Amino acid sequence: DSGVTQTPKHLITATGQRVTLRCSPRSGDLSVYWYQQSLDQGLQFLIHYYNGEERAKGNILERFSAQQFPDLHSELNLSSLELGDSALYFCASSRLAGANNEQFFGPGTRLTVL
Amino acid sequence: QQQVKQSPQSLIVQKGGISIINCAYENTAFDYFPWYQQFPGKGPALLIAIRPDVSEKKEGRFTISFNKSAKQFSLHIMDSQPGDSATYFCAASHSGGGADGLTFGKGTHLIIQP
Repeated sequence: DSGVTQTPKHLITATGQRVTLRCSPRSGDLSVYWYQQSLDQGLQFLIHYYNGEERAKGNILERFSAQQFPDLHSELNLSSLELGDSALYFCASSRLAGANNEQFFGPGTRLTVL
Repeated sequence: QQQVKQSPQSLIVQKGGISIINCAYENTAFDYFPWYQQFPGKGPALLIAIRPDVSEKKEGRFTISFNKSAKQFSLHIMDSQPGDSATYFCAASHSGGGADGLTFGKGTHLIIQP
């Protein structure tokens, strides 16, 4: 158990809908990273938040957004969902900013868009 | 553009044998190279990591070999065991990018036959 929690575990929704994925980092970790894992694209970095502020964006679509709250939990919002958004979404946390710090991954949220 | 290329895609090794997975990168700014292990239904977990100031790092049965001039690094699993059966991902990041996430290879599905 990495200490990172993600909810929900599974999410099934329809095209055009909006969903919110939640992540709670390990106690004391200030950084939260979001990744998308799909069969064709593999694991891709989406976005990074550190202590409530956005620090870096990766291959994140404009339909996706995220935020990190004062209690350091983070939410990833996916809107106008398309079939191709079906994937596993992981969050990872680390003590500090900087990808060189070990990142601890949560168990993921499996999103299915029908 | 795939910045980290991983091979092979799948690998079958007999119990007690050596498993070797290779990765090549393009971005010379990368200076942190972790390997992650992922079991079905779980998030990736850090296995071992190396920085380019050393050519080899060993932790138990796991060894990373790093060739800076060739821009290649590899994971060796000695005395492979059935419990090592999992998907392995190489990754890379650069401290100059500070807050960037990890760039992952496509993964290697490793099966250790008893």
